[in-house]
Amino acid sequence: DTGVSQDPRHKITKRGQNVTFRCDPISEHNRLYWYRQTLGQGPEFLTYFQNEAQLEKSRLLSDRFSAERPKGSFSTLEIQRTEQGDSAMYLCASSLVVSGRVDEQFFGPGTRLTVL
Amino acid sequence: AQSVTQLGSHVSVSEGALVLLRCNYSSSVPPYLFWYVQYPNQGLQLLLKYTSAATLVKGINDFEAEFKKSETSFHLTKPSAHMSDAAEYFCAVTRTDSWGKLQFGAGTQVVVTP
Repeated sequence: DTGVSQDPRHKITKRGQNVTFRCDPISEHNRLYWYRQTLGQGPEFLTYFQNEAQLEKSRLLSDRFSAERPKGSFSTLEIQRTEQGDSAMYLCASSLVVSGRVDEQFFGPGTRLTVL
Repeated sequence: AQSVTQLGSHVSVSEGALVLLRCNYSSSVPPYLFWYVQYPNQGLQLLLKYTSAATLVKGINDFEAEFKKSETSFHLTKPSAHMSDAAEYFCAVTRTDSWGKLQFGAGTQVVVTP
C-alpha cells in the first residue's frame, strides 16, 4: 500500500487518559501535517513537519498535545489528560515539497477519537 | 488571514443533472485554492487545485472549477451527476507566500437522487 496510513482507526478512551496516534506517510514525502475534524466541520490545521522539524503549530494545539516526527518518517500525536472536547477525527496528510511548486497533500483515513 | 465559506451545507441533485457547489474565499494575499472530496470513513481526496496558472481548472471525474478574483469565488461544477458523486466536498485555501497549511470550509454534503 503506497498511501498514508494511520493507526488506530478508532480509539475510545475515558476522560483523563492519555492517547497516542501514529501516522505513516508516503515514503518519499518530506512534509507531514496533522488536522482535526469535528462533526459537521472541515478539517482544522494542527501542526506540520518538514522532515523532522516541526515548523508551525496552531493555537488549537494546547500544551496537552504533542507531536513528533523523530526520524523524518512516521509521526505520532499524543494527547494527555484527554477531555470530552478532544473527541474528533484526527487526520494526517503528507506531501512532497519541491521548490517553487505547490504541494498536493495526500490524506490518511483518520483516527476517530471518542472520549467518554 | 484566509478563510473559506461554502454556501449550502447540503445539496441534493438528480442523477444526470448539473452539480454546482459554491465556495467563496477571503485572503490577504493571492491564494491557492483546492477542492477535496471525502467519502464515508475515508480520507480526503484532491479533486483539483488552482495555483494561478489558469483560471479554469479541470480535475478528476469531470469536475472543474473557475477562479474568479473579482467575485472571490472558486465554485465547483460537474455537468452530469453520478450516484458515485454522493460524498462531502470541501473547499480549501492556502497562502501563496507561505503555503502549506490548508484552511478548509465547513463542507457541502452532496446527495444524488435517481
